Amino acid sequence: IAGITQAPTSQILAAGRRMTLRCTQDMRHNAMYWYRQDLGLGLRLIHYSNTAGTTGKGEVPDGYSVSRANTDDFPLTLASAVPSQTSVYFCASSDGTSYNEQFFGPGTRLTVL
Amino acid sequence: AQSVSQHNHHVILSEAASLELGCNYSYGGTVNLFWYVQYPGQHLQLLLKYFSGDPLVKGIKGFEAEFIKSKFSFNLRKPSVQWSDTAEYFCAVNPYTGRRALTFGSGTRLQVQP
Repeated sequence: IAGITQAPTSQILAAGRRMTLRCTQDMRHNAMYWYRQDLGLGLRLIHYSNTAGTTGKGEVPDGYSVSRANTDDFPLTLASAVPSQTSVYFCASSDGTSYNEQFFGPGTRLTVL
Repeated sequence: AQSVSQHNHHVILSEAASLELGCNYSYGGTVNLFWYVQYPGQHLQLLLKYFSGDPLVKGIKGFEAEFIKSKFSFNLRKPSVQWSDTAEYFCAVNPYTGRRALTFGSGTRLQVQP
C-alpha cells in the first residue's frame, strides 16, 4: 500500500441499503477526512478525525457515520442510503499539523437508485 | 462560516495561452492556502501551497499563485498552458481552527484546445 486506498472503486446501491466505504492510509497520519464531490459544488466535508479515537462532523454529516478505531482506517457508513447520496467520495489524510496539507485517495463513485 | 469562491466555472483556452484562475476566501484570520488539480478520472493532487513568507509561490508543472492578503485572494497562474493541463482546479483554504479540514471552492474546469 502506498498512500491512501479506498474501496470499492464504484458501487451501485439500492435505496435503503446499508453501505460502508473503506479508507486506509499507510502514512501514519493523525488526521483523516471524508469529502463528497458533486458537480458545481466542489468538495464538501462529511466527517473528520483529528486523531484515532476521535471524530467530528463536517458540513454535510446527515445520513453518514464514521469511526476511527486505529490510525490507519477511517470507514464511512451510510446507514440507509438515499438517492441524494449519489456522489464521488474522497478520503484524505494529513499529519494534523497547522499546515494541514492533505493527501487524497482515488475516490469511490457511489450511485444510489 | 468561511467560504471560498472560484469565479470561473469553465475556462476554454488554446495551447500557449496564459491562464489566471481567480480564488477569493472569506476567512479573516490566518489561513493556509492550496490549489489542487484533478485530471480526468483521477483523484486530487496538490499543485501548490502557501503557508507563510513570499506571497508568490511556485508549484509543479509551471504553475504559480499569488497570495494578496488585502484582497483575500490566491489566484492561480500559468504563462503558457498545454493540452495536458486540461483538468479541474480547486482552490482550498485551511483556517487555523480545531477542525483542520479544508474548505474548497466549487472548482474551475479548464479545457485546453490543441
